[in-house]
Amino acid sequence: SQTIHQWPATLVQPVGSPLSLECTVEGTSNPNLYWYRQAAGRGLQLLFYSVGIGQISSEVPQNLSASRPQDRQFILSSKKLLLSDSGFYLCAWSKTPTYEQYFGPGTRLTVT
Amino acid sequence: GENVEQHPSTLSVQEGDSAVIKCTYSDSASNYFPWYKQELGKRPQLIIDIRSNVGEKKDQRIAVTLNKTAKHFSLHITETQPEDSAVYFCAAMVQGGSEKLVFGKGTKLTVNP
Repeated sequence: SQTIHQWPATLVQPVGSPLSLECTVEGTSNPNLYWYRQAAGRGLQLLFYSVGIGQISSEVPQNLSASRPQDRQFILSSKKLLLSDSGFYLCAWSKTPTYEQYFGPGTRLTVT
Repeated sequence: GENVEQHPSTLSVQEGDSAVIKCTYSDSASNYFPWYKQELGKRPQLIIDIRSNVGEKKDQRIAVTLNKTAKHFSLHITETQPEDSAVYFCAAMVQGGSEKLVFGKGTKLTVNP
């Protein structure tokens, strides 16, 4: 069966510091991968998606970037965090042609 | 692009009653509509989905209906229980190969014992 991992689970970072969040999927190959952000009490905002290694599409221009160095690894980064970057970051995967999208456990980021 | 509207934003029912959450979408080409349940502090969990070649799908106490002509779909929960309390999100898949989902803003369901 497939499993999706995210780490770290929680993170407290000062404004202006860098960020690296990692997501890995096990038990499948060539998944579609997604990064979402959820502000407290709010909905799900799609940040990036990837349909293959090195293929990244950005949904919202901001100070975040994403990379997919390996088939089942997806990384979210920032060079300088803003207060507004605080939130619950969720990675998700899907596999054509089932369309079903499954979320990882998330990383709760607080920027202070 | 696709836009998904979800109503109501909050819903409070008594245990044992039914709950209905409705969503509308804008892109008539969308053909996949999942529903997620998110408990406080947890990840969203896929609870049921429907594809455009089906009008209704049931799984025990939950069901989803789809009206492609009117471009709306609904989640029905019968015999609600306190553990059904959560935020529910609907979504519609964007056509074009990415399998991106556009989500509604969520409905906070509270089931009172």
